[in-house]
Amino acid sequence: QVQLVESGGGVVQPGRSLTVSCVGSGFIFSNYGMHWVRQAPGKGLEWVAIISYDGSNKSYGDSVKGRFTISRDNSENTLYLQMNTLRPEDTALYYCAKDSDSSGWPPPWVDYWGQGILVTVSS
Amino acid sequence: ILMTQSPATLSVSPGERATLSCRASQSVRSYLAWYQQRPGQAPRLLIHGATTRATGIPVRFNGGGSGTEFTLTISSLQSEDFGVYYCLQYYDWPLITFGGGTKVEIK
Repeated sequence: QVQLVESGGGVVQPGRSLTVSCVGSGFIFSNYGMHWVRQAPGKGLEWVAIISYDGSNKSYGDSVKGRFTISRDNSENTLYLQMNTLRPEDTALYYCAKDSDSSGWPPPWVDYWGQGILVTVSS
Repeated sequence: ILMTQSPATLSVSPGERATLSCRASQSVRSYLAWYQQRPGQAPRLLIHGATTRATGIPVRFNGGGSGTEFTLTISSLQSEDFGVYYCLQYYDWPLITFGGGTKVEIK
């Protein structure tokens, strides 16, 4: 079955950097676009970034554009989110999530989610 | 595309029907999904294509609508159905957006 397992979270000071990872299994990782979605404590879901199946295309939400970088290593079935210049408002549970299909049209939906990894930005 | 869910909180007794709404700021055709999030858990896909139940989802969950107005109806609430429900538009993929959520709580 599909499994997505995040790691690398923790407490980091404002202005510093952190990279979180997600390992996928139970599906052909290199065939699917992948997302990062975050959830601040007690709040709703916020889409953060997407990377295409081959890593050639990336898009970001406005709140992280220019600070966060999404990447992937298909040989290791791993998705990454490098977070720079972190702010207290970036404190959240970060989920990796999988697209339902590899083609762009008709557009795919998000079908599977990891359990999330907590990132806390605090001095 | 802005997604607005209502109500923010819905109080329902077990066995009763619950109807949740999701409105898009522009047409998303039928490219809308619904997710359930139980406390302490990751979101789970319920509905995609506005009306298609995901694998293993009970028939008491029904999605409806198209364009800008959508509903999720739970025909007879069970104890395991309490939690927060989110809609997602993927018409504008890769720039997907979630609604703010509706919390379904025990009355």
